Amino acid sequence: DTGVSQNPRHKITKRGQNVTFRCDPISEHNRLYWYRQTLGQGPEFLTYFQNEAQLEKSRLLSDRFSAERPKGSFSTLEIQRTEQGDSAMYLCASSPWTGGLETQYFGPGTRLLVL
Amino acid sequence: KNQVEQSPQSLIILEGKNCTLQCNYTVSPFSNLRWYKQDTGRGPVSLTIMTFSENTKSNGRYTATLDADTKQSSLHITASQLSDSASYICVVSAGDDSWGKLQFGAGTQVVVTP
Repeated sequence: DTGVSQNPRHKITKRGQNVTFRCDPISEHNRLYWYRQTLGQGPEFLTYFQNEAQLEKSRLLSDRFSAERPKGSFSTLEIQRTEQGDSAMYLCASSPWTGGLETQYFGPGTRLLVL
Repeated sequence: KNQVEQSPQSLIILEGKNCTLQCNYTVSPFSNLRWYKQDTGRGPVSLTIMTFSENTKSNGRYTATLDADTKQSSLHITASQLSDSASYICVVSAGDDSWGKLQFGAGTQVVVTP
């Protein structure tokens, strides 16, 4: 399967713990995005990278959230000191942006439950 | 206030029937509008992308329309199949390359019954 992959698919953690999610984009896709989706809502943009550079961050991305894409390939999203409000599906998407319109390819998501 | 409103929130249709989903937006300036299909527990999959100058775009049994003057879009599903059961999300992009300005609707949950 050469699509976007995310690990783990599910994560249950206790409030206050740190969690880290990984996203492997489609090979050679230069853009990578992170979104958060709560039940019954559409995805909300968190941040995106072009190659290894983090170009934009949403106001939703508090100080407890950090994302990296060190080599311009896979990316990690870390949440420190998790809160119950962090419970959501975290989606990753990638695209082969060359200018103009682009199609984002989404991964299956990581579902986080904070107890 | 969400700048992309979708209706209905959910609908149930019989297999083989047609249905139309609505999307109204207030995002400005407008760049493009996308419809995504999201199966339960999966990431969204792009169905159509339309720019300001496009009125309609088809992808198999899915046809999207856009009226940029009234800021309305619709997604029409023809001859529905059980596999069409999913959430359909309307996404509107503002007039630049800033992904922070993507506005997602809450989606319409479609259930196709035999």
